[in-house]
Amino acid sequence: AQSVSQHNHHVILSEAASLELGCNYSYGGTVNLFWYVQYPGQHLQLLLKYFSGDPLVKGIKGFEAEFIKSKFSFNLRKPSVQWSDTAEYFCAVMGNTGKLIFGQGTTLQVKP
Amino acid sequence: ETGVTQSPTHLIKTRGQQVTLRCSSQSGHNTVSWYQQALGQGPQFIFQYYREEENGRGNFPPRFSGLQFPNYSSELNVNALELDDSALYLCASSALAGMSTDTQYFGPGTRLTVL
Repeated sequence: AQSVSQHNHHVILSEAASLELGCNYSYGGTVNLFWYVQYPGQHLQLLLKYFSGDPLVKGIKGFEAEFIKSKFSFNLRKPSVQWSDTAEYFCAVMGNTGKLIFGQGTTLQVKP
Repeated sequence: ETGVTQSPTHLIKTRGQQVTLRCSSQSGHNTVSWYQQALGQGPQFIFQYYREEENGRGNFPPRFSGLQFPNYSSELNVNALELDDSALYLCASSALAGMSTDTQYFGPGTRLTVL
């Protein structure tokens, strides 16, 4: 069965700290991977996606993620977080069914 | 370019009632997917509509049903509401129904509270 696991449920960082959010997936076939962000009071927005090619994917707002096939991982990173990055972050996988399977989400709180 | 819109924003119903939620897809998109997001959880796939036909369904009972119209807008209907149906209902539109390279864009959601 397809599943996504996000290890960190709640992360608290100070501004300028580096961020890495873990995501592992379970899926038997070719996967396409996504990170979405949900800022307080706003809708889910696409941060970045990986379909194929370079496993290091760059997204909006300075975020990047690395696909490591051997580890079934797609971790999200940002070198220096800002207070405005406070949000909930969701990792998701899509197989050949056209439906997104989401992880439980990670709440990131950045202290100014 | 108009994004995905949903109505209403909030809704309060009582157990046993029926509810209809609406979604307008992003310009140029022909596919609508619906998700349920319970508090503290990630969104769960309910179903997808493509060209007015259901194109995949998640693990939800038949009292969750939907429609898609010729202009690609969509409705989610839930009959015999239960307390556990309280959640944020998200609509996502996309252009590549059922394909693994599909990218879904989400609306703001409808917050349903069942009392």
